[in-house]
Amino acid sequence: GENVEQHPSTLSVQEGDSAVIKCTYSDSASNYFPWYKQELGKRPQLIIDIRSNVGEKKDQRIAVTLNKTAKHFSLHITETQPEDSAVYFCAASKGSSYKLIFGSGTRLLVRP
Amino acid sequence: DGGITQSPKYLFRKEGQNVTLSCEQNLNHDAMYWYRQDPGQGLRLIYYSQIVNDFQKGDIAEGYSVSREKKESFPLTVTSAQKNPTAFYLCASRSQGSDTQYFGPGTRLTVL
Repeated sequence: GENVEQHPSTLSVQEGDSAVIKCTYSDSASNYFPWYKQELGKRPQLIIDIRSNVGEKKDQRIAVTLNKTAKHFSLHITETQPEDSAVYFCAASKGSSYKLIFGSGTRLLVRP
Repeated sequence: DGGITQSPKYLFRKEGQNVTLSCEQNLNHDAMYWYRQDPGQGLRLIYYSQIVNDFQKGDIAEGYSVSREKKESFPLTVTSAQKNPTAFYLCASRSQGSDTQYFGPGTRLTVL
């Protein structure tokens, strides 16, 4: 079955710097790749997603890139702010069930 | 997100007891999902339902049961057969024709 690996597990950056989180997936049929942000004790919140027919998507300070050949996708956060501190999860799905397979998460700390 | 509710927020169970977690949505979403999250880990799929009166097992269904008698409700029962039920349980829903899953606030279950 599908497997999603996420790196790094923790990431500490200075406020204003960029942060990059990377995920790889195993099933080449996967076609939907969302990213969720989860604050401590809260629900995951969708921050951006990308579909396999697109190579890049951007929303203000957040961007996601997808390389289908290499089967990896990345989250880029520019001009990081302390409120960006949270755990970020990548996920992948395919087919009509839209079952999500999640990565293990990246804890991002933005130092003021 | 505000249209998905889970109750209770915290739940304590003695070993050997079955407990039922509630998930309700007023978003008119067709599909609903249950995930389990353990500390420092990603989410894993327990069960999902794409239509009323139908549901399928996810990756870790053993020791759990669900029902989908109404479109807006998808309760999860954690049975005594689940060996390690202490976790954070998240319900999600999705509109037909959309990839995006929206999560409820979660229920934290602790076995005493």
